[in-house]
Amino acid sequence: EVQLVESGGGLVNPGGSLRLSCAASGFTFSNALMSWVRQAPGKGLEWVGRIKSNTHGGTTDYAAPVKGRFTISRDDSKNTVYLQMSSLKTEDTAVYYCVEGPFLPYWGQGILVTVSS
Amino acid sequence: QTVVTQEPSLTVSPGGTVTLTCASSTGAVTSGYYPNWFQQKPGQAPRALIYSTSNKHSWTPARFSGSLLGGKAALTLSGVQPEDEAEYYCLLYYGDEGVFGGGTKLTVL
Repeated sequence: EVQLVESGGGLVNPGGSLRLSCAASGFTFSNALMSWVRQAPGKGLEWVGRIKSNTHGGTTDYAAPVKGRFTISRDDSKNTVYLQMSSLKTEDTAVYYCVEGPFLPYWGQGILVTVSS
Repeated sequence: QTVVTQEPSLTVSPGGTVTLTCASSTGAVTSGYYPNWFQQKPGQAPRALIYSTSNKHSWTPARFSGSLLGGKAALTLSGVQPEDEAEYYCLLYYGDEGVFGGGTKLTVL
């Protein structure tokens, strides 16, 4: 059974930083492209970015609103993908989902990040 | 900035058929945008339904189908069930960047 478990969310001041983690199990993580998707309270889904497998270069892609502020990385030895968020803005407040693959078949339960003073 | 547009809301009767569409501000949607469709119910994580235009996941009910229709991606529900009431999102890929549509709230009434 595929499981994706996010952690690291919480309340952070504007301009601050936070790192989310996503622990994966139930599939060959090292072969998987991993994505992050967010959803602001009462709003729709927003694609955040993704990281390819290291066999495909481990390259990353980001949505324009987060490019230069967010960094996605992975540790295949820990079956974990990370989302490092910096220079956070109030509009980054959202539930953040870790999702497997480019076609997003498997989703974590989501974790809330609140950016507020 | 690329915008993906969906109907804000649709209403369908139980047992009926409804088509949701997904349009791109850049022009006609083709298979090269790898259209995906997701269902989300209140308080739950989204559930993937369709990938690469028309491919179903193993858990996707047969009454859901994806296609290209009139320059848009389309999701058709045939024989709608009460449990299909939900928000539906499409996702298009523009090269290496994904963009979700704003979502369609489907009411079964």
